[in-house]
Amino acid sequence: DAGVTQSPTHLIKTRGQQVTLRCSPISGHKSVSWYQQVLGQGPQFIFQYYEKEERGRGNFPDRFSARQFPNYSSELNVNALLLGDSALYLCASSLGAGLPNTEAFFGQGTRLTVV
Amino acid sequence: AQSVTQLDSQVPVFEEAPVELRCNYSSSVSVYLFWYVQYPNQGLQLLLKYLSGSTLVKGINGFEAEFNKSQTSFHLRKPSVHISDTAEYFCAVTFTGGGNKLTFGTGTQLKVEL
Repeated sequence: DAGVTQSPTHLIKTRGQQVTLRCSPISGHKSVSWYQQVLGQGPQFIFQYYEKEERGRGNFPDRFSARQFPNYSSELNVNALLLGDSALYLCASSLGAGLPNTEAFFGQGTRLTVV
Repeated sequence: AQSVTQLDSQVPVFEEAPVELRCNYSSSVSVYLFWYVQYPNQGLQLLLKYLSGSTLVKGINGFEAEFNKSQTSFHLRKPSVHISDTAEYFCAVTFTGGGNKLTFGTGTQLKVEL
């Protein structure tokens, strides 16, 4: 079975631009979460979606938004890019409603570089 | 609020030597504990998790960890490391009422040398 897939794997954007990152969860998983990992740091939680509804949001500005589609895939959008948005963006999927004792499976990530 | 501390940013060790990577957490509610490994330019892979029951947890690749509630620690150990264990290791927690939102430590770079 395919794991969590993210696209694109790498991209370079200019300050002020907008970017959309995509994630397909493991088949049967209905919960998707997004994390930002700045170089040299641990991942930071951005959003969690379950059954197309936002279930949690981290401490990120409103420039960050996300949505989940009927097939449970998800997109993360970042507007007005700043240099500090350069990071590895990780998507994780989990089975069920995302209870604290459920395992999150991570994709390979999208490396975003803002210049 | 919950937090995770990994005091060692880098741990160098010779091949076949034992290693311990330290993790301490802070939380006012019950937590679940995880260790993830990240190889260069890759995502995160779960090594092991503590949900309940026995405080000694065994994971993949010969790793194990022990949950110590009184010391709020969840240290990761391996009795004999291999070159292929060179990677970044992250300790993380979820907590009751927080869904499966993971709070990560800053990571420990394990470098195995010949």
